[in-house]
Amino acid sequence: GNSVTQMEGPVTLSEEAFLTINCTYTATGYPSLFWYVQYPGEGLQLLLKATKADDKGSNKGFEATYRKETTSFHLEKGSVQVSDSAVYFCAPRTGTYKYIFGTGTRLKVLA
Amino acid sequence: ETGVTQTPRHLVMGMTNKKSLKCEQHLGHNAMYWYKQSAKKPLELMFVYNFKEQTENNSVPSRFSPECPNSSHLFLHLHTLQPEDSALYLCASSQEGTSGTGELFFGEGSRLTVL
Repeated sequence: GNSVTQMEGPVTLSEEAFLTINCTYTATGYPSLFWYVQYPGEGLQLLLKATKADDKGSNKGFEATYRKETTSFHLEKGSVQVSDSAVYFCAPRTGTYKYIFGTGTRLKVLA
Repeated sequence: ETGVTQTPRHLVMGMTNKKSLKCEQHLGHNAMYWYKQSAKKPLELMFVYNFKEQTENNSVPSRFSPECPNSSHLFLHLHTLQPEDSALYLCASSQEGTSGTGELFFGEGSRLTVL
């Protein structure tokens, strides 16, 4: 069946450190790929997306590249800030209304 | 402000109570969703409505009863809940079809505690 795998965390980094959150998925067809972020006390919001192979999504210094051959969509940021502390969800979209969500990865950035 | 408003933000209820969660979207979207977020579990889709018609019901117990009177409003009626139903309930909307991106816009959630 369809699934997404990402580490649960927490991932704890110092400010200005490099961030990688790995995401791999299993899905039928050719999904669009999304990263959503949930800040404390809030709902999820779109961080970035990619809709076809080799596309790179980017926003707020975060980047992720659609790797069809490895079914991966790893999230990276060169220099994290305390304000990036949140839960990050990798979410393949396999069809109308159909997202695959996991448990998310909690990121804690220390000053 | 995401354009999706949920009330109440917090709710405590006993197992014999009846309560409702409300969601309103101001984005003109044609699809609305209820998701359940529990600690250490994947985000769980409960119901989807498109233009007031229910399109998805993921084997949700009947003690959860959705209502979508129009394309801007969505309710989740709760009755005789169990303590394991305590969770954050998230409402979302999206624009589907050729005019939409399918991106989900979430409200801030209603934190439910069942005693």
